[in-house]
Amino acid sequence: AQSVTQLDSQVPVFEEAPVELRCNYSSSVSVYLFWYVQYPNQGLQLLLKYLSGSTLVKGINGFEAEFNKSQTSFHLRKPSVHISDTAEYFCAVSEFPGNQFYFGTGTSLTVIP
Amino acid sequence: DVKVTQSSRYLVKRTGEKVFLECVQDMDHENMFWYRQDPGLGLRLIYFSYDVKMKEKGDIPEGYSVSREKKERFSLILESASTNQTSMYLCASIGQGEGTGELFFGEGSRLTVL
Repeated sequence: AQSVTQLDSQVPVFEEAPVELRCNYSSSVSVYLFWYVQYPNQGLQLLLKYLSGSTLVKGINGFEAEFNKSQTSFHLRKPSVHISDTAEYFCAVSEFPGNQFYFGTGTSLTVIP
Repeated sequence: DVKVTQSSRYLVKRTGEKVFLECVQDMDHENMFWYRQDPGLGLRLIYFSYDVKMKEKGDIPEGYSVSREKKERFSLILESASTNQTSMYLCASIGQGEGTGELFFGEGSRLTVL
């Protein structure tokens, strides 16, 4: 089974500042990588995913993530955050060919005006 | 638009009561999941199902059971609710063989057991 680590449980950042949310996973076998976002009192929705190809993946709302196989990392970045980005962010890994998803413990991003 | 619907957004139950959490998806997905979400612990898998009448235990199945009588519906059952089952419960689904795809989530059911 995979282990997914999100090192930062809470990240406060000022509006319009850049942010990076870190994610590491345990195994270097073929995996698919995802970031999900959860706004207050809602379910999770997909932000972006890496399946293959370019290691830099762009998602919705200006977010992007970079897959680093040697470091087994998939960090999420945004160059300039908005108040509306305040939410919980979850990194997830899926192993080929199964449909089992493994989630990190989440990072709470708070954007300060 | 794809849809995973959880029947109850908020429930308050008493210790010892039987609780049913219903989840319906309209995407003809084979695989359905129940997760529990707690602060600092992320999402933990309770049960999942790959097909009608099939179920598999996840990481924390104790105190829970599930039912999948129809493809579109996956129910989570707490036979005798306890206070430590107070949590947010999330249902999700994905098509078979679509490990590269995304999990679709419901809005969540927040259960409080008094």
